[in-house]
Amino acid sequence: GNSVTQMEGPVTLSEEAFLTINCTYTATGYPSLFWYVQYPGEGLQLLLKATKADDKGSNKGFEATYRKETTSFHLEKGSVQVSDSAVYFCALTTGGAGGTSYGKLTFGQGTILTVHP
Amino acid sequence: NAGVTQTPKFQVLKTGQSMTLQCAQDMNHEYMSWYRQDPGMGLRLIHYSVGAGITDQGEVPNGYNVSRSTTEDFPLRLLSAAPSQTSVYFCATKRGTGADTQYFGPGTRLTVL
Repeated sequence: GNSVTQMEGPVTLSEEAFLTINCTYTATGYPSLFWYVQYPGEGLQLLLKATKADDKGSNKGFEATYRKETTSFHLEKGSVQVSDSAVYFCALTTGGAGGTSYGKLTFGQGTILTVHP
Repeated sequence: NAGVTQTPKFQVLKTGQSMTLQCAQDMNHEYMSWYRQDPGMGLRLIHYSVGAGITDQGEVPNGYNVSRSTTEDFPLRLLSAAPSQTSVYFCATKRGTGADTQYFGPGTRLTVL
């Protein structure tokens, strides 16, 4: 089956520090990979995604590269801000047109990020 | 467009009570799903639907029922609430049945005493 493992948290950083949140996965088939972010009191929203090996997803200064050889999709940001404080979820789906999994998402456990001024 | 809406935002139940969590979307998406979020466990899929009249079980379906009579609505029913169902519940939708982006509602925080 599919599974996603994220680095243990919580992560606490000072503003302008470099961020890495590790994510590794196991999957049957060819997964698409996602990072979702959940701000306090809100639902999840898509941060970035990559649908094939070596793709790089990017958004709001965050980046992640789909590494098939290491089955990883680590999230990085060069300079975090206080407003980046949130919970970050790595997720995958092996759904595709005509497939039977219908694009169901498998999530990691989430990583809490707190950024101090 | 409201996107994905969920009601209520908060709910407290006693063990054995029943209730329905509502989810509605105005994006004309085929696929709708329910997740529960528990500390340290990420989100787990309860039930999903690939279109009106079609539903199926996810990873943790026990204790929950769903139906999909319209494209817009996908209610989640707890027939006899248990303390183990204390959680935050999220409804999500996406356009098709492939690797499309899922859009999440704001969530319902449920406490079962």
